[in-house]
Parts: sequence; C-alpha cells; structure tokens
Amino acid sequence: AQSVTQLDSQVPVFEEAPVELRCNYSSSVSVYLFWYVQYPNQGLQLLLKYLSGSTLVESINGFEAEFNKSQTSFHLRKPSVHISDTAEYFCAVSEQGGSYIPTFGRGTSLIVHP
Amino acid sequence: NAGVTQTPKFQVLKTGQSMTLQCAQDMNHNSMYWYRQDPGMGLRLIYYSASEGTTDKGEVPNGYNVSRLNKREFSLRLESAAPSQTSVYFCASMTTGGNQPQHFGDGTRLSIL
Repeated sequence: AQSVTQLDSQVPVFEEAPVELRCNYSSSVSVYLFWYVQYPNQGLQLLLKYLSGSTLVESINGFEAEFNKSQTSFHLRKPSVHISDTAEYFCAVSEQGGSYIPTFGRGTSLIVHP
Repeated sequence: NAGVTQTPKFQVLKTGQSMTLQCAQDMNHNSMYWYRQDPGMGLRLIYYSASEGTTDKGEVPNGYNVSRLNKREFSLRLESAAPSQTSVYFCASMTTGGNQPQHFGDGTRLSIL
C-alpha cells in the first residue's frame, strides 16, 4: 500500500519569495504523482501531474515539481509567489496497475504575506 | 461545464437526524468517491464506487451508507448524525485508470449540533 507524507503543515512566505512544498511517498511499485490546490471554500483542483517521461513537470501558473525516484519525492516549487497563491496544497499518489484509489497527504497550507 | 455538483452546500443537523448528501457528475466518469476533510487530517476516503453497480468501504465508513444510483449520481447518507460527523464532505469522480486526476465538487459543509 502506498503512503504520502507532506512534511510541512504550514509554510509562511513573503510575496515574490521562492517556495518549496515537500512531498515524500512510499510504494512498492511504480506510481503516478499529483499535486492539487484548494482555494478557500472550494474543492481540490489539479495543479500538475507526473505520469512518465521528463521528471520535471510544470503548471500553467508557474509552479513546477520534480519527480525523484531515488528519494521517493515530488516536491513542489515556485520561484516567486503571489498573494493569490495562498491556498492548501495536497500531494497525492496512485499506484500503477493497482486500485484506482489515490492516497492523499495531509496538506500544506501556503500563506503568502505582502 | 458543471463537472461535479454537490448539494446542499451547507447543512446544520441535530444529533440523531438523518440526511443524504447528493453528488452528480456530467463527465461520464466510471469511478466516484466520497471524502471528508477535517483540519489537520487531510482527505479521508469514506466510500467509493469503482463503477456503476459497485460500492466499497474506504478508510472511515462507519456511520455512513452510499448509493450509486446510476453512472452520474453517487449519494452519501448519514442515518443517525453524530457531532463527530461535523466536517466538510467532498465528492470526486475519475475516469478509469490511475493515471487520471480526480475531479472534485465544491463540498458540503455539515454541522451536527
């Protein structure tokens, strides 16, 4: 069975500063990896995903995540954050060839200060 | 596009009352899920339906029942609400294949007094 650990429950940062949200996973098989974002009073939305191929994946709003198989990590980064990036971020993993039930981390609250 | 629609958006119940949370998706997805979200706990799976006609328990099924009414609709029922069931409930759907993302509704905020 897979598991996901988001090491930071809350990450405060100033506007225009870089940020990294950490995600580590555990699985005995190959996995698909996802980052979701949740804005206040809304459901989760897909931010980006890693399925195969290039280990660096990007979103349309400047976030990127790198799949590191040896460290079983999928950290999310942005070089310069905006106030509007304030949200809850969830990392999720789904096992290849397994049941179609993703496992979610507990979430990281990104708080961007002006 | 509507995507995943949940009703109601808010509800306050008294302990012991029953209610059904409704969820419908218009994306022709096979799989549907019910989660609850509590502070510091992330998302916890209550029940899921891998395809029309099947339902299975998730991590925290006690106190809940579900019905996959058809391919579009998946309802969650609380038979006798308890204060511990105060939470935000999310419905999600997904097409077949672990390489696909889930699509979420905007949630139902439920308070049990």
